[in-house]
Amino acid sequence: DAGITQSPRYKITETGRQVTLMCHQTWSHSYMFWYRQDLGHGLRLIYYSAAADITDKGEVPDGYVVSRSKTENFPLTLESATRSQTSVYFCASSESSFRSYTFGSGTRLTVV
Amino acid sequence: EDQVTQSPEALRLQEGESSSLNCSYTVSGLRGLFWYRQDPGKGPEFLFTLYSAGEEKEKERLKATLTKKESFLHITAPKPEDSATYLCAVPPQGGSEKLVFGKGTKLTVNP
Repeated sequence: DAGITQSPRYKITETGRQVTLMCHQTWSHSYMFWYRQDLGHGLRLIYYSAAADITDKGEVPDGYVVSRSKTENFPLTLESATRSQTSVYFCASSESSFRSYTFGSGTRLTVV
Repeated sequence: EDQVTQSPEALRLQEGESSSLNCSYTVSGLRGLFWYRQDPGKGPEFLFTLYSAGEEKEKERLKATLTKKESFLHITAPKPEDSATYLCAVPPQGGSEKLVFGKGTKLTVNP
């Protein structure tokens, strides 16, 4: 199916574990983004990518790693999960700069 | 300093009671202001993009307008299905392609 999909939908992990959140889009959009959404903070940008093999930090990148070897995939890895990383994570894509984003359905991550 | 501020944080309306949501921004050289709707448990869904002061866009009961310092999302005769959180976003100062989001207005429309 065409669109942008995130997996898993829900994840519970323990402090200190590595966890990877997946994001896949079928439109060959150039731009992809990872945001986290927390009560009181709204959506905050973690990392973004303008094309395959090009990534850049957003507002809150510490503790996260991204890669983009293929245009359609943009995984987000938490190297050593902390409780403060409990959040809802949204992936988004856009066909070009200053154009609207299409968001995935989100991953709700709980770090215990 | 927040580059985009939304008000009110929450708004409760009766069905049919029109109102407006506000999004004020501080960036200069605006390269677009974006409105999204977010339902509980879902990702934001794109509504409108406005690029220049005076521009207006409409979709069903929603109309978005833009001035040099703020945007309004007018909701005319709302229905319960319009209940959602409405987010606005702008590219930050400096012209990056990423978006900075406001914290949103949670709209509840009672039947």
